[in-house]
Amino acid sequence: SQQGEEDPQALSIQEGENATMNCSYKTSINNLQWYRQNSGRGLVHLILIRSNEREKHSGRLRVTLDTSKKSSSLLITASRAADTASYFCATVTKGLTGGGNKLTFGTGTQLKVEL
Amino acid sequence: AAGVIQSPRHLIKEKRETATLKCYPIPRHDTVYWYQQGPGQDPQFLISFYEKMQSDKGSIPDRFSAQQFSDYHSELNMSSLELGDSALYFCASSSRDSPNYGYTFGSGTRLTVV
Repeated sequence: SQQGEEDPQALSIQEGENATMNCSYKTSINNLQWYRQNSGRGLVHLILIRSNEREKHSGRLRVTLDTSKKSSSLLITASRAADTASYFCATVTKGLTGGGNKLTFGTGTQLKVEL
Repeated sequence: AAGVIQSPRHLIKEKRETATLKCYPIPRHDTVYWYQQGPGQDPQFLISFYEKMQSDKGSIPDRFSAQQFSDYHSELNMSSLELGDSALYFCASSSRDSPNYGYTFGSGTRLTVV
């Protein structure tokens, strides 16, 4: 099973609308990150929220984190066709040696923004 | 700014062959991670190296091995390839000194096993 599970798995909206994606995780985390991936391409880091933060903004992105519910949400406001991509949440847990903090990805939400 | 460089971008191999994927992390990043992403799947953690020592191990098959060299580049060696090994393989790097624990991913190597 995955550390992070996204909801919904697929989302289709019209340009200009807001898109909200949710993520749940199971274990204690250092931080939670959101990534974007265009089809078959690399993963692009969008935003990071630390475990002691509740909300963070970056441009049209707003991320919330509820550690009591082990959940996070990503809101994209005023969506554009170029926002069409898969969005993954990823949690950071400590590596065995404490030196490398590995990312564990959820299953992703496929967002389609239509004109 | 320099990014994480992976080579090759595409690789086609036959079953039972061997493949070697290379990753050049961002300069001064001390940790390298390898991920495998099957079609329509989420990225799965394979293995990581911190300061050239194996740091953590995920769902990496015994047929795969990896190492990080003195210049911090890393190689993922895959032997006795199977059809199911066809996937995108990503390398990422990070630094403990990065203020936001930033992870930078390479563009990936698309491996096709035929």
